[in-house]
Formats: sequence, structure tokens, C-alpha cells
Amino acid sequence: SQQGEEDPQALSIQEGENATMNCSYKTSINNLQWYRQNSGRGLVHLILIRSNEREKHSGRLRVTLDTSKKSSSLLITASRAADTASYFCATPRGGTASKLTFGTGTRLQVTL
Amino acid sequence: EPEVTQTPSHQVTQMGQEVILRCVPISNHLYFYWYRQILGQKVEFLVSFYNNEISEKSEIFDDQFSVERPDGSNFTLKIRSTKLEDSAMYFCASSGGRSEGQPQHFGDGTRLSIL
Repeated sequence: SQQGEEDPQALSIQEGENATMNCSYKTSINNLQWYRQNSGRGLVHLILIRSNEREKHSGRLRVTLDTSKKSSSLLITASRAADTASYFCATPRGGTASKLTFGTGTRLQVTL
Repeated sequence: EPEVTQTPSHQVTQMGQEVILRCVPISNHLYFYWYRQILGQKVEFLVSFYNNEISEKSEIFDDQFSVERPDGSNFTLKIRSTKLEDSAMYFCASSGGRSEGQPQHFGDGTRLSIL
């Protein structure tokens, strides 16, 4: 299995609803990061949660981390059409410059 | 807000030709990366670069690939003899520190199409 697997693979909700995406990983981590990718664009960093943190908020985003279960969740509250994108979790892996290993992503569609 | 810029946005090349993808990282960043994303697949790490040398490279980054920071601002990825399977989006990223503490900032990518 791959490091960083998100579920669901696709999620369709209406504007105003909350969206929850989950990520599981395999090895020990120092931190876990969430990125957004709009269609045809690069990845945008959303939030970083360290291994000694359990929950973190940024605006309408709430991230949780459970290191015992090796899982994280990203909650987007009061979703907007502009939140339509793919969301990826990523974990840094070793080395001097620490590459990121990305999950498979959750494609979120927010409809009006 | 400073951003990573990549050129060109789309490159079409004949198989076997050399291609150079260009990136201008954020100016005070020290760590540089290339990733690629084949259509419909995960974003995959290719190479990281720090202190004017390759820090780490993946299995994908074989002898056909090279990176260079020719001056204080540009960071390039060269593919010497392109293959059909090199068709992908290539993303450059930079970071002010190691990923244990710092996020990576990505450009919008170069779509490479090999014919």
C-alpha cells in the first residue's frame, strides 16, 4: 500500500454543507500536510499539523491527526463552489530536503 | 505573496528530443524540488536540490534527467532524450526549510506532451 491514501476518492456536496476527507498513512511522521489542487493548477499548501498536535484550525479548515491510528482528517465547513478541487495529504520523508509523499487525493465537487 | 513560476506552461516535443523545463523558485528559499503527475495519477517526487547539489532522487530520476541551478534565480529540469512515458505535468516547488517544519510552495506546472 502507498503512504497517504485518502478517502473518499470523490465527494459531491451542496454549497453550505461540510466536507470531510480522510487520509491514512503507514510510517511514523514528523508532520502531515494538506494541499489543494485546482484543475490544471499547482498544489497549494493549506495546513500543516505536527505529530504532537491533535487538531488544528485555519479559517474554515479543521484538521485532526491521530498518530495511534495513523490517520488524519480534513474538514471544510460551510463549503463554497470555489472549494471544488482535489485535496491531497502529504507526509515528508527523510533526507536533507525531505521530499513529500502524496496520497491519491479526494476530488471534491461543491454544487450550488 | 511571492510565488514559484514555471515556464513554459505547455511544451510539446518529439520523442527523443531534449527538453528543458524552467522554474523560478521563491527568492529566499533554499530547498528546491521537482515532482511530476501523470494524468489521473498521484503526484510523484523526482528530485530535491539543496546547497547546489542533488539531495535525493527517486527511481524515476534516471540518467536521462538532470537538474541545474545555473544562476541565483532559475532552477531547471532537463530530460535528455524524451520518451512517450515522460508525458506528464511537471511541478517545481521550493521551501524555506526542510519539510519537517516548512511547507513547500508549488508552481502551476509545465504540461509536457511527447509525440
